Amino acid sequence: DGGITQSPKYLFRKEGQNVTLSCEQNLNHDAMYWYRQDPGQGLRLIYYSQIVNDFQKGDIAEGYSVSREKKESFPLTVTSAQKNPTAFYLCASSIAKEGSLHFGNGTRLTVT
Amino acid sequence: KQEVTQIPAALSVPEGENLVLNCSFTDSAIYNLQWFRQDPGKGLTSLLLIQSSQREQTSGRLNASLDKSSGRSTLYIAASQPGDSATYLCAVLFSGGYQKVTFGIGTKLQVIP
Repeated sequence: DGGITQSPKYLFRKEGQNVTLSCEQNLNHDAMYWYRQDPGQGLRLIYYSQIVNDFQKGDIAEGYSVSREKKESFPLTVTSAQKNPTAFYLCASSIAKEGSLHFGNGTRLTVT
Repeated sequence: KQEVTQIPAALSVPEGENLVLNCSFTDSAIYNLQWFRQDPGKGLTSLLLIQSSQREQTSGRLNASLDKSSGRSTLYIAASQPGDSATYLCAVLFSGGYQKVTFGIGTKLQVIP
């Protein structure tokens, strides 16, 4: 079945460490996105990529980095520069920018 | 600023009731509007996508309408069931400026058996 796989489901890190969240899709979608979800707030866009080897910053890109070396993969690195990294991270993809968004099951990151 | 608002934030109804969830947005220049369902600790599941040129979309017991001129969309759920309990989010792809999807905070629905 086609879909988006995020791993791991839960991730724990110490403050000051970088951590990479995985996102893989087999939907053959060109566009991929990373969102952050915090209680009481709507999803906020961190980074997005409309094509391989190209990506753009979203609304809250500071302290995060991404790469898009393959169409299927869009990993997100949360760096030590991110001041409040504990959150629920969601990866999504769409066939094109205007297409329907499809989401993975998320990764809950806790930094202590 | 392009914003999406969902009211109410929470809703509790008895099983079998028909219900309406509301979504409003501040700019009528949109590409599409999408309704999602989110269960606790899970990702978002797409329910319906309405393109800018459409007025409504239906899937099973769900019907979503779009009125761009008034900046509103409604999600109608017929004959609600306990399994419908979840948070429902509205997302709008605005066509002006940045052209990004903006999400509402969601309506948390509880259907009581």
